[in-house]
Amino acid sequence: ILNVEQSPQSLHVQEGDSTNFTCGFPSSNFYALHWYRWETAKSPEALFVMTLNGDEKKKGRISATLNTKEGYSYLYIKGSQPEDSATYLCAFTPGGGNKLTFGTGTQLKVEL
Amino acid sequence: GAVVSQHPSRVICKSGTSVKIECRSLDFQATTMFWYRQFPKQSLMLMATSNEGSKATYEQGVEKDKFLINHASLTLSTLTVTSAHPEDSSFYICSARPDTDEQYFGPGTRLTVT
Repeated sequence: ILNVEQSPQSLHVQEGDSTNFTCGFPSSNFYALHWYRWETAKSPEALFVMTLNGDEKKKGRISATLNTKEGYSYLYIKGSQPEDSATYLCAFTPGGGNKLTFGTGTQLKVEL
Repeated sequence: GAVVSQHPSRVICKSGTSVKIECRSLDFQATTMFWYRQFPKQSLMLMATSNEGSKATYEQGVEKDKFLINHASLTLSTLTVTSAHPEDSSFYICSARPDTDEQYFGPGTRLTVT
């Protein structure tokens, strides 16, 4: 059974704060790590797919890093805005497959 | 681009009846579609993987005779929950995958069995 752990479970920040959360995954037989943003009543939106150790990806104020040797990825949001409020999911794909194993997500609320 | 629709968004049915959920990729062809469910406070759990024109592959513990999956075209997959019971009440969500590593998700279906 693959275990994907996300922390914290939830997070409240003020507008303008920068924040980050963690995704832990098995360090063996790694193929890809995905980050999704999921707003209530909408489809999960793909943010990043990362495959190489040391990968860093950025989309606007959001960035992510990947460490496959130790089995973790960080997602950073710089200058949080209320529209960043969502659940952030990470998912792991092992080598040789196309299945996603999800963590339980980090629920972010950005307050004015 | 890469939009996936799912219908219905919410359904309430009586115990013993069957419910069909549709998943469509609107602007791309999906060689593979996936069905997940999520119980409260738990993660999205893969139920089955389907490839167009072939039988679905079910994850361990998922009853294939209860959760019928049809992937008749490159843009449509359906999940039928047969003889639904209250314990089948859950959030069901599909994803569609073109020939890339990315999966694109529908908005999900909330099933309540009374």
